[in-house]
Amino acid sequence: DAMVIQNPRYQVTQFGKPVTLSCSQTLNHNVMYWYQQKSSQAPKLLFHYYDKDFNNEADTPDNFQSRRPNTSFCFLDIRSPGLGDAAMYLCATSRHDGDTQYFGPGTRLTVL
Amino acid sequence: AQSVAQPEDQVNVAEGNPLTVKCTYSVSGNPYLFWYVQYPNRGLQFLLKYITGDNLVKGSYGFEAEFNKSQTSFHLKKPSALVSDSALYFCAVSSLNTGNQFYFGTGTSLTVIP
Repeated sequence: DAMVIQNPRYQVTQFGKPVTLSCSQTLNHNVMYWYQQKSSQAPKLLFHYYDKDFNNEADTPDNFQSRRPNTSFCFLDIRSPGLGDAAMYLCATSRHDGDTQYFGPGTRLTVL
Repeated sequence: AQSVAQPEDQVNVAEGNPLTVKCTYSVSGNPYLFWYVQYPNRGLQFLLKYITGDNLVKGSYGFEAEFNKSQTSFHLKKPSALVSDSALYFCAVSSLNTGNQFYFGTGTSLTVIP
């Protein structure tokens, strides 16, 4: 089945230790998104890529970066995680901007 | 400004009764409206969407939603609730005028009581 896959599902890191979250998709969608979601709040958009065009939300902290080496994969790098970065990180894809977004299962990040 | 309101943080309904989860929106241009469901420690699952056409949209798991332009609403409904419908529900809106960015509501926690 076509899907959005996130690894790992649970990630524990130490304060200040860099961490990378990964997302892959078999839907062949043009757009990939990274969201941060805290304790049942609405997802907050961090970045999105239309193909290789990168779009950074204005209020996304510099501590967060992203890479999309090819259509199928996208990575979220947190350079120096703080306690406030503990959250669920959701990856999503859509065929085009504004189309239905399909979400992965998420990665739960814990910062010790 | 673009926004979505889900006025109820929590909705409780007895199993077998009809359920409604409310959503109102504010967006410039024609809205694209979506409903998602989220189970604990899972991603969001797409339920249904309205782009154009018939105001009543049918989606997954027996859910439906009605687009009401004059009231700027897109309430989610189901005729007979199941305990397994208990989850967090998000409404979202986008439009060409917003660069197609999704704006999510704050979510409504639905509990279906056996």
